Amino acid sequence: AQKVTQAQTEISVVEKEDVTLDCVYETRDTTYYLFWYKQPPSGELVFLIRRNSFDEQNEISGRYSWNFQKSTSSFNFTITASQVVDSAVYFCALSEARGNNNDMRFGAGTRLTVKP
Amino acid sequence: NAGVTQTPKFQVLKTGQSMTLQCAQDMNHNSMYWYRQDPGMGLRLIYYSASEGTTDKGEVPNGYNVSRLNKREFSLRLESAAPSQTSVYFCASSEAGANEKLFFGSGTQLSVL
Repeated sequence: AQKVTQAQTEISVVEKEDVTLDCVYETRDTTYYLFWYKQPPSGELVFLIRRNSFDEQNEISGRYSWNFQKSTSSFNFTITASQVVDSAVYFCALSEARGNNNDMRFGAGTRLTVKP
Repeated sequence: NAGVTQTPKFQVLKTGQSMTLQCAQDMNHNSMYWYRQDPGMGLRLIYYSASEGTTDKGEVPNGYNVSRLNKREFSLRLESAAPSQTSVYFCASSEAGANEKLFFGSGTQLSVL
C-alpha cells in the first residue's frame, strides 16, 4: 500500500519568514495523485492542491508554491512570507489510481506555528 | 452550503457501549469515507464507500462497521467501544475517482473511558 512521510512534526517560524514543509511518498503505481490539505485550529480540513504523477510542473498560488520531484518521490510545500493565519497542521496525501476507488492515505502532518 | 455534516460533535462513552456516528453530504458525491485522527498518526482510513451499495475496508477497520444507507448518508458504528477508539473522527466525501479531492466534515471528538 502507498505511504506518505512527513518527517517534520512541528515547525515554528516568525512572521514573514519562508518555510518549506516536506513530503516524501512511496507507491508502486505509475499513476497516482498527490494532495495537500490544511487543518486550521478550527479543525476542519481544507483542500489546497492536487498533482497527478504525470505533471511535474511546479505550481505557485500567491504565497504558496509546490515542488513535485518524482526522482526523489517528494512533493514539498513552501509558504513565502509566512503570516500568523498560516498557522495550522498541514497534511500531505497520496491516492493511487485504481478504478473509481479513492483510497487516500495521509501523512502524519506538520504543525506550523507562525509567531508575530 | 452544508457540504458534509457529521453528528454528534462530541461524545463520551464507557467501555463496551455502542454508538453510531452519522454523516450526510449534499453534494451528490458517489464516494464517502471515514477517517480517524490521532496525534502523531495523521488521518487513517477506517472504511470507504466508492458508491452507493458498496463498502471497503481501509487501514484500520477493526472494531468498526459502516453502512452506506443511501447516496447521501454513510454511518460508522462502534459495537463495543474501547479506550483505543478515543479519537477524532472525520467523515469525507468526493466525486468518484482517485484524482478527486475530499470534502471533510467538522469532525466528532469521541472519548471512551
